[in-house]
Amino acid sequence: QQQVKQSPQSLIVQKGGISIINCAYENTAFDYFPWYQQFPGKGPALLIAIRPDVSEKKEGRFTISFNKSAKQFSLHIMDSQPGDSATYFCAALSGNTGKLIFGQGTTLQVKP
Amino acid sequence: KAGVTQTPRYLIKTRGQQVTLSCSPISGHRSVSWYQQTPGQGLQFLFEYFSETQRNKGNFPGRFSGRQFSNSRSEMNVSTLELGDSALYLCASSLQSNYGYTFGSGTRLTVV
Repeated sequence: QQQVKQSPQSLIVQKGGISIINCAYENTAFDYFPWYQQFPGKGPALLIAIRPDVSEKKEGRFTISFNKSAKQFSLHIMDSQPGDSATYFCAALSGNTGKLIFGQGTTLQVKP
Repeated sequence: KAGVTQTPRYLIKTRGQQVTLSCSPISGHRSVSWYQQTPGQGLQFLFEYFSETQRNKGNFPGRFSGRQFSNSRSEMNVSTLELGDSALYLCASSLQSNYGYTFGSGTRLTVV
């Protein structure tokens, strides 16, 4: 029940295309859902996050869509660029636990 | 504003030894969490500290321990190192433990 399932494992997109990564969770106690971007040799960097009272959040080219009833959320990267090539992790956190549960990660390659 | 600082960046230790990793959170952040990242298991939660108190612990053996000081700096210790402890150890800090966490670049531990 603590798991967060992420798909796909890897993704190849052409420059200018839309990258879509999906996550599903089971624990309804989760109340904070961030997405992280990680480059090789670096720690994960917070990209965008959402709480379950909102169905969509957009920041620049990055959008989170959240479906509370289906217990699913997704990251959309519009106008994907080669610089977006990285590993993306969805995560979930409940209450004041300070415990992020991460998905397995998606390796995104954006071809020029 | 300085980010999360982890030292050292790289460590090579021998089986059976112990190791201490250090983390300086962002100024004003009181919650510090630690994660282990491996290719096989992904990002796994180790423990979380808030105001010097460990409030949550992941499913790791007792060889993994940590502490937080009054200035919010944190250390984690791994005793009796095993080959399987080779990983990237990440520290993350947040103002509150139900909000966005900022990660450091990690300490790459190799056990030989």
